[in-house]
Amino acid sequence: QVQLVESGGGVVQPGRSLRLSCAASGYTFSSYGMHWVRQAPGKGLEWVAVIWHDGSKTLYGDSVRGRFTISRDDSKNTLYLQMNSLRGEDTAMYYCVRDPGVTSYYFDNWGQGTLVTVSS
Amino acid sequence: DIDLTQTPLSLSVTPGQPASIYCKSSQSLLHTDGKTYLYWYLQKPGQSPQLLMYEVSRRVSGVPDRFSGSGSGTDFTLKISRVEAEDVGVYCCMQGIHHPPTFGQGTKVEIK
Repeated sequence: QVQLVESGGGVVQPGRSLRLSCAASGYTFSSYGMHWVRQAPGKGLEWVAVIWHDGSKTLYGDSVRGRFTISRDDSKNTLYLQMNSLRGEDTAMYYCVRDPGVTSYYFDNWGQGTLVTVSS
Repeated sequence: DIDLTQTPLSLSVTPGQPASIYCKSSQSLLHTDGKTYLYWYLQKPGQSPQLLMYEVSRRVSGVPDRFSGSGSGTDFTLKISRVEAEDVGVYCCMQGIHHPPTFGQGTKVEIK
């Protein structure tokens, strides 16, 4: 079955960097677009970034554009999120999400999440 | 960005009773391909979101048939015909037709 396992979260000071990873298994990773979605404590879901199945295109939410970079390594079945210049408002659970959509976004499988806390 | 407004924000339901959650979009979610890309997710306590319904009314495999979705254009409803204890959590709608994908605020369902 599809498994998405995030890692790399932790406590980091404002202005510092962190890289999240998401290990995928149970399906052909290279055939699917992938997203990062986050959820601040007690808040709703916020889309962060997407990478096309072939890596040809990446898009970002307004709040992270220019600071975060999404990437993938299909040889390792792994998705990444490089987060630079972190701010307090980036504190959230970060979920890796699979997208089988062709004409729309479609989030069918979610990882368990990795918690990022930005604090001095 | 497309705004999805859910009502109510919380719901307390007696087991066996029905419950309805509404999701209103600021723009139509009907695609030129004829499909409407509105999804429903349930986030159980301490868990990640899980997909319940896609394209408004199509149940994901394994989702009980007491869950049903309806609506068109900008107005959508998720109905639970008979709420059970395992249905507690936060229900959230999501649209996938417009960039960026956006979510409703969530509706917390609890058992009386």
